[in-house]
Amino acid sequence: SQQGEEDPQALSIQEGENATMNCSYKTSINNLQWYRQNSGRGLVHLILIRSNEREKHSGRLRVTLDTSKKSSSLLITASRAADTASYFCATDEGGRGGSEKLVFGKGTKLTVNP
Amino acid sequence: DAGVIQSPRHEVTEMGQEVTLRCKPISGHNSFFWYRQTMMRGLELLIYFNNNVPIDDSGMPEDRFSAKMPNASFSTLKIQPSEPRDSAVYFCASSLRGLNEKLFFGSGTQLSVL
Repeated sequence: SQQGEEDPQALSIQEGENATMNCSYKTSINNLQWYRQNSGRGLVHLILIRSNEREKHSGRLRVTLDTSKKSSSLLITASRAADTASYFCATDEGGRGGSEKLVFGKGTKLTVNP
Repeated sequence: DAGVIQSPRHEVTEMGQEVTLRCKPISGHNSFFWYRQTMMRGLELLIYFNNNVPIDDSGMPEDRFSAKMPNASFSTLKIQPSEPRDSAVYFCASSLRGLNEKLFFGSGTQLSVL
């Protein structure tokens, strides 16, 4: 099942510009996570934001969460060519037997041109 | 710590053959996951273990897939018999305690079934 849906699917910007990616989800969550994946590599965790938090920062990354709209955004400021990657949001979703599982969206492919 | 270690990195096999993917999670992590990634379906959770016990296997496609975690430091994902539609990148991941912690991913196994 697909919980988070990222928008846009692809984004191309120039080095130094800011990049904003959005994620929408359907059900109530306990937390939302953002991950980055470089081509041919595994996913790397960026930020986890809990449902009672509205904003979180980590270096050049800023994540917001609006639970009333069931949406989150990831902002990368002063982008660099090395930020070129796919970015995924992931949300916890109630699964079978009451267990939870972390469900990923299909990602936003970000290209930062030097 | 060496991180989550997967093997093999690449696997090419013929339809009908048995395929075994292996993973070593990070020491001390109690939660373990197998994911599959394809262009069409994105990143799908196959199975989730907690303290070596399978909690949710609703994502396992069919009986041809089986996953075991005999101890906290080793897991296998077996496909028997393999089919071309099983071609994908398979990732394992671990976390300290379930879904409210960040996941650490392996580098993935690129499986091609001819």
